[in-house]
Amino acid sequence: QQQVKQSPQSLIVQKGGIPIINCAYENTAFDYFPWYQQFPGKGPALLIAIRPDVSEKKEGRFTISFNKSAKQFSLHIMDSQPGDSATYFCAASNTNAGNMLTFGGGTRLMVKP
Amino acid sequence: GAGVSQSPSNKVTEKGKDVELRCDPISGHTALYWYRQSLGQGLEFLIYFQGNSAPDKSGLPSDRFSAERTGGSVSTLTIQRTQQEDSAVYLCASSLVWQVGRPQHFGDGTRLSIL
Repeated sequence: QQQVKQSPQSLIVQKGGIPIINCAYENTAFDYFPWYQQFPGKGPALLIAIRPDVSEKKEGRFTISFNKSAKQFSLHIMDSQPGDSATYFCAASNTNAGNMLTFGGGTRLMVKP
Repeated sequence: GAGVSQSPSNKVTEKGKDVELRCDPISGHTALYWYRQSLGQGLEFLIYFQGNSAPDKSGLPSDRFSAERTGGSVSTLTIQRTQQEDSAVYLCASSLVWQVGRPQHFGDGTRLSIL
């Protein structure tokens, strides 16, 4: 059972564009939603995370938007750069299950110069 | 070291052999997690440790998989009688404590190939 659905699977934007990656979840017990960035041959690295009591969080060029009623959240990358080309994963966890993360399927982003 | 260290970085073995994968977490991190990343299944949780204890082993794919952690530090994931479907990247992560919202820091993984 895929509890976190991520779209699109791949995305190509021009430098300076604003790629948007969307995730939807099913388990209403989820209460922590991180985003990870992964480069080839490397492990995922935490980018930014949000809890459901806020609707938006910004860190640098990365913004998470959260819609609790729709059970959806998204990542926006402002002023995207070729160095942002990577695979992005959304994830979710809930208090009852501790810190174990359920991941979305990933989005492969390419930012063209 | 500064980050999570995993060894070996690559492992190629024949079907039916046993393999051991090692994870050295960030110093002082009490929580340790194992995940598997494969093309068909994405990133899936396997098992976690709080200290040396693994309260929930239900994420392990089969009884051929086992994991241990000694001294609250290094962990070993063992796969017995490997099968081709075990081919994947095995990732280890650690966090300061076992609590929601505590960032998990990942190692670069062990790429396991079963011939």
